Amino acid sequence: DAGVIQSPRHEVTEMGQEVTLRCKPISGHNSLFWYRQTMMRGLELLIYFNNNVPIDDSGMPEDRFSAKMPNASFSTLKIQPSEPRDSAVYFCANRERWDRDYTFGSGTRLTVV
Amino acid sequence: AQTVTQSQPEMSVQEAETVTLSCTYDTSESDYYLFWYKQPPSRQMILVIRQEAYKQQNATENRFSVNFQKAAKSFSLKISDSQLGDAAMYFCAYRSAGGKLIFGQGTELSVKP
Repeated sequence: DAGVIQSPRHEVTEMGQEVTLRCKPISGHNSLFWYRQTMMRGLELLIYFNNNVPIDDSGMPEDRFSAKMPNASFSTLKIQPSEPRDSAVYFCANRERWDRDYTFGSGTRLTVV
Repeated sequence: AQTVTQSQPEMSVQEAETVTLSCTYDTSESDYYLFWYKQPPSRQMILVIRQEAYKQQNATENRFSVNFQKAAKSFSLKISDSQLGDAAMYFCAYRSAGGKLIFGQGTELSVKP
C-alpha cells in the first residue's frame, strides 16, 4: 500500500492565483482530514469527511477555501484567490472507520508570493 | 470544544538521558484517544504512542511511555535513553468520539551528544 498520497509536494504561486492541492487516500479508509501547519498556529484541522461527506468544516478559514471529496479515492483543497498568509504546509490524513490510528500524507508546502 | 495544550515550546536532553514532554487537554467526553506524534525535519507525521481513555494502564512502546492522568486531563510523554534520532517536533493529539483529531502546538526536542 502506497499510503496517503499528496500532490504536489511543493507549490509556489503568485498572490491572486488559484491553487489546488490533491490527496489520494488509502483504499477503504473512509475518513479524510485536511490540516494546515504554520509556525504561528501549529496544526489546524480545516475540514474532515466521512464516507465522502463533509462532517465539520468549521476550521476552514474563509470562503476562499473549499474542499471536495467526489469519491472515496480523491479529495481536493482549493484556495481561490490565494494570499501570502496562506503559505503553509497542508496535510491530508486518513483513517479507516474502525481503526484507532491515522495515516498522514507527506504534505504539500505552499508558498504564495 | 476540545483543546490540547503543550506548554513547552522547546526542550533539550542529553543523549542517553530521560526527558518528559507535557500535555494537557480539555474535554467533557469520557471516551477518547490520546496520541503523541513525532515530526522530524522531513515533516512526516509518525505515530509514537497512543492511549485509550478507558484504559487505566499507561501505554508503553519501547523507550517511550506515557503518564496518563485522566482526572487531571494530563498526558505526558517520557523518552528514556534519548537518542540523536529522537530530535524532532513532538505533538500531543486528542481524538474525540466522533473521530476529530486535534493537536497541541508542539514541543521541539533537541538531543545533545
